[in-house]
Amino acid sequence: DTGVSQDPRHKITKRGQNVTFRCDPISEHNRLYWYRQTLGQGPEFLTYFQNEAQLEKSRLLSDRFSAERPKGSFSTLEIQRTEQGDSAMYLCASSARTGYDEQFFGPGTRLTVL
Amino acid sequence: DQQVKQNSPSLSVQEGRISILNCDYTNSMFDYFLWYKKYPAEGPTFLISISSIKDKNEDGRFTVFLNKSAKHLSLHIVPSQPGDSAVYFCAASASTSGTYKYIFGTGTRLKVLA
Repeated sequence: DTGVSQDPRHKITKRGQNVTFRCDPISEHNRLYWYRQTLGQGPEFLTYFQNEAQLEKSRLLSDRFSAERPKGSFSTLEIQRTEQGDSAMYLCASSARTGYDEQFFGPGTRLTVL
Repeated sequence: DQQVKQNSPSLSVQEGRISILNCDYTNSMFDYFLWYKKYPAEGPTFLISISSIKDKNEDGRFTVFLNKSAKHLSLHIVPSQPGDSAVYFCAASASTSGTYKYIFGTGTRLKVLA
């Protein structure tokens, strides 16, 4: 399967714990995006990488959130000191370099903070 | 501020009939629009897109219409099939953003009745 993969698919954690999610984009795609989707809403943009450079972060991404994309391949999204409001589906997407190529989404990681 | 709006949370259509899903946007800088379909427990899947230089794009049973003056787009599915039952998200992007990030609407749940 050569699509976007995300791990884990589900994560249940207690408030105050740290969590880390991984995204493996389609191999030839150099653009990578993280979105967050809560119940009844559409996905909301969190951050964007072009290769290994993080070029944009949404104001939704508080100081407790950090994302990396070492070597421009897979990406990780870490949430420190989780809060109940962080409960959501975290989606990763990738696209190729050329202009308006559509973004391909992974299956998402569903986070539940108790 | 919801820049992309899908005012109908749900829509039911008989199999074989036309499904029309609507989307409105407020940001005149948007110049690329997409529709994604989402099944439960999966990430969004790209369906069809349209550039602002066009007013119509067709792909099989799916046609997207863009009315720039009204800042409105619609997705037509003809004929509708039970397998089309899913949540449909409208998304918009602005090339001036440099990141090609998407702004999503809140989605419309389509149910095609057999």
